[in-house]
Amino acid sequence: SQQGEEDPQALSIQEGENATMNCSYKTSINNLQWYRQNSGRGLVHLILIRSNEREKHSGRLRVTLDTSKKSSSLLITASRAADTASYFCATDDLQGAQKLVFGQGTRLTINP
Amino acid sequence: NAGVTQTPKFQVLKTGQSMTLQCAQDMNHNSMYWYRQDPGMGLRLIYYSASEGTTDKGEVPNGYNVSRLNKREFSLRLESAAPSQTSVYFCASRLTLRHEQFFGPGTRLTVL
Repeated sequence: SQQGEEDPQALSIQEGENATMNCSYKTSINNLQWYRQNSGRGLVHLILIRSNEREKHSGRLRVTLDTSKKSSSLLITASRAADTASYFCATDDLQGAQKLVFGQGTRLTINP
Repeated sequence: NAGVTQTPKFQVLKTGQSMTLQCAQDMNHNSMYWYRQDPGMGLRLIYYSASEGTTDKGEVPNGYNVSRLNKREFSLRLESAAPSQTSVYFCASRLTLRHEQFFGPGTRLTVL
């Protein structure tokens, strides 16, 4: 079964606004990753945050991790039309088998 | 570098037919993965190969077989296709010391 639950399932905002997506997971993790998927394409890795980190930045992306609540958030600042995509969180498998478990994703639409 | 390539891009099968999905990567990655993505869902792991010569079941292996032909190539076979296997299939690879996975463009499979 899937580890992550993402919220909201869909989000529509105006260009220039900030977009926040949330991910909750069930079991202890080593790290949490966020991926982007443009329509009809494969997933692209965005950012990784380790279980001992609370916040990480990469360009217009900000990721937070709260291991006590088993949740993470992805903030995209100053959104652009090109940010329109689905965003997935993925957690590793503590059994050491290098497997990722993906959430169901948030579909983000940026309106010009 | 081409990254991760998948063939074919599209395929339509009749129930009971067999086919093999091909995946190759040119990044010298050790681990390779096969996922399926159903509408509105995240990715679910079918099979993975942590290194050349090894394969293991993921979350949804029933109805599939895999072959890690060499370090570059990892194929997924459907022996007797069923409508429930209609999905988009993604191959991914990963370098052992890194966590992020690199995805191919996907194969869209329809089983009638």
